[in-house]
Amino acid sequence: DAKTTQPPSMDCAEGRAANLPCNHSTISGNEYVYWYRQIHSQGPQYIIHGLKNNETNEMASLIITEDRKSSTLILPHATLRDTAVYYCIVRVAAGGGADGLTFGKGTHLIIQP
Amino acid sequence: NAGVTQTPKFQVLKTGQSMTLQCAQDMNHEYMSWYRQDPGMGLRLIHYSVGAGITDQGEVPNGYNVSRSTTEDFPLRLLSAAPSQTSVYFCASMGRLAGSQETQYFGPGTRLLVL
Repeated sequence: DAKTTQPPSMDCAEGRAANLPCNHSTISGNEYVYWYRQIHSQGPQYIIHGLKNNETNEMASLIITEDRKSSTLILPHATLRDTAVYYCIVRVAAGGGADGLTFGKGTHLIIQP
Repeated sequence: NAGVTQTPKFQVLKTGQSMTLQCAQDMNHEYMSWYRQDPGMGLRLIHYSVGAGITDQGEVPNGYNVSRSTTEDFPLRLLSAAPSQTSVYFCASMGRLAGSQETQYFGPGTRLLVL
């Protein structure tokens, strides 16, 4: 799986858009970009994923650069409940098999009131 | 759907004791897995199963056993607990979102302390 690089922490004001960057310069053509988050003491939660095109769902938007070497997760109107560690994961499929999902350190997003 | 459920939520064991962490899912997912998460660390895969009757080892399988007799249940057994097994354990199942790629669904976790 391609390695990802994320800032260790970020702050965002409540009600503003939170933009979380992820670098994945060694991504292969058949690898997807997945985003999960883990709110304190809870299990990881799937947010969104994409291959080449930008994606949007009820939780977030995912912007992938044309060369696919980086991406940005956007939470359009952050709330205090969005405070969590956000993980960017790059892999071919959702995580089945002996190597499972590789969660690195992620970005600790703190939403400020 | 209840999704992925885990019991117990908390457990304290003494070194050498055995116990079983329960995991169940009601989404008819074939793939299930167990992870452990130590403080300040990412998740590490312990064991996984691609269907009833089939299990295999992940990254850190030592000290743990699993079985998969039904699609719904995937228990994790600690035969002789050690302090190094103090951790938070997450069970996950994998299924396909409508018209999309598969993704993983995680349970709420079991917090285990081994004294």
